[in-house]
Amino acid sequence: QLVLTQSPSASASLGASVKLTCTLSSGHSSYAIAWHQQQPEKGPRFLLKLNSEGSHTMGDGIPDRFSGFTSGAECYLTISSLHSDDEADYYCQTWDTGRVLFGGGTKLTVL
Amino acid sequence: EVQLVQSGAEVKKPGESLKISCKGSGYSITGYWIGWVRQTPGKGLEWVGIIYPSDDDTKYSPSFQGQVTISADRSINTAYLQWSSLKASDTAIYYCARHVEGEILIDLWGQGTLVTVSS
Repeated sequence: QLVLTQSPSASASLGASVKLTCTLSSGHSSYAIAWHQQQPEKGPRFLLKLNSEGSHTMGDGIPDRFSGFTSGAECYLTISSLHSDDEADYYCQTWDTGRVLFGGGTKLTVL
Repeated sequence: EVQLVQSGAEVKKPGESLKISCKGSGYSITGYWIGWVRQTPGKGLEWVGIIYPSDDDTKYSPSFQGQVTISADRSINTAYLQWSSLKASDTAIYYCARHVEGEILIDLWGQGTLVTVSS
């Protein structure tokens, strides 16, 4: 069955770019994926969704520093021009065979 | 403004019942799925279950099947998560979330409800 895997942590410098990865388990590809951000002590916020064809739809008020794309079983969230408040946990999410699935989350540290 | 507004924090004793709510504002909850997600301190997001208020189709995570009940009241644009007998291990923040029909991806979150179960 489908599992979403994320690296537990990532880091990048202020003003730099970072790419976070969400990997679909073996034998799975072409799923629509959503990315969510959870800043410290706050609830999650929808960032963007990637459809199975590779185009993405942004959440309301999300700056265009955030973008995403898919490549086979890999789904990416790219953040450019990192700000200090981009330091947060990032989760990918999808739906498969009657279940909502989340990745384990990546904790992004902005240096 | 389109938002999901959740009920306030709760403190309960083990064995007590509880029903928390999630009200859609600025849109109709019919035509979307509404789901519930649990988060314990320092942990990730854990799917509880989901309901389609238009026909009350409901699905649960195997981890929560039989432990909670999800329902909706279309007349007041509100979804619910309830427990009949709380345990200390139910202590967590519970978020409701709107899922787009079809892809079932989350595009809107509630602010969360902290549930504390302690004797």
